Amino acid sequence: AQSVAQPEDQVNVAEGNPLTVKCTYSVSGNPYLFWYVQYPNRGLQFLLKYITGDNLVKGSYGFEAEFNKSQTSFHLKKPSALVSDSALYFCAVRDPAQTGANNLFFGTGTRLTVIP
Amino acid sequence: DSGVTQTPKHLITATGQRVTLRCSPRSGDLSVYWYQQSLDQGLQFLIHYYNGEERAKGNILERFSAQQFPDLHSELNLSSLELGDSALYFCASEKQGRSGANVLTFGAGSRLTVL
Repeated sequence: AQSVAQPEDQVNVAEGNPLTVKCTYSVSGNPYLFWYVQYPNRGLQFLLKYITGDNLVKGSYGFEAEFNKSQTSFHLKKPSALVSDSALYFCAVRDPAQTGANNLFFGTGTRLTVIP
Repeated sequence: DSGVTQTPKHLITATGQRVTLRCSPRSGDLSVYWYQQSLDQGLQFLIHYYNGEERAKGNILERFSAQQFPDLHSELNLSSLELGDSALYFCASEKQGRSGANVLTFGAGSRLTVL
């Protein structure tokens, strides 16, 4: 069955330090992987996606993510955190080969707090 | 502005009542998804429409229903409301159906409070 997991509900990091938000997935085929960010009282905004090709994907606001097929992970990273990065982050996976039902699944979200 | 419009932004109503939430997708997008988010929790998938047809159903209660109209806007109807239905309801749109690598564009949400 298709699923995505974000093992940490909360991540705290000091401003200027590198940050990592973890995501692991389970699909039967080749996944499409996405990261979205949600600021308070706002809808989700797209950050980056992995479809195929280079395992390191660069996205908006200096974020990047690395697709690791052997570990079935797609962790979100940023070299130097900003206070303005504080938000709720969602990982999502889609199995394009799956039809007849919902094939887009979101993780439960990780709240990132960047401490000044 | 994401291009996905949701109305109303806020809605306060009483238990037992019925409300309708409206979503206008981004221009050119044929797919509309509805999600429920309770108290800073994760997103619960409710239902997906593509070009007027229901494509997938998630954890949508029988008291809830939705439809997508010929002009591609969608409505989510919530009836016999309970306190536990208080949540943020998001609509998202994408150009194609489920097979593409397209990104979902989310609206700002409708915050429903049931008293």
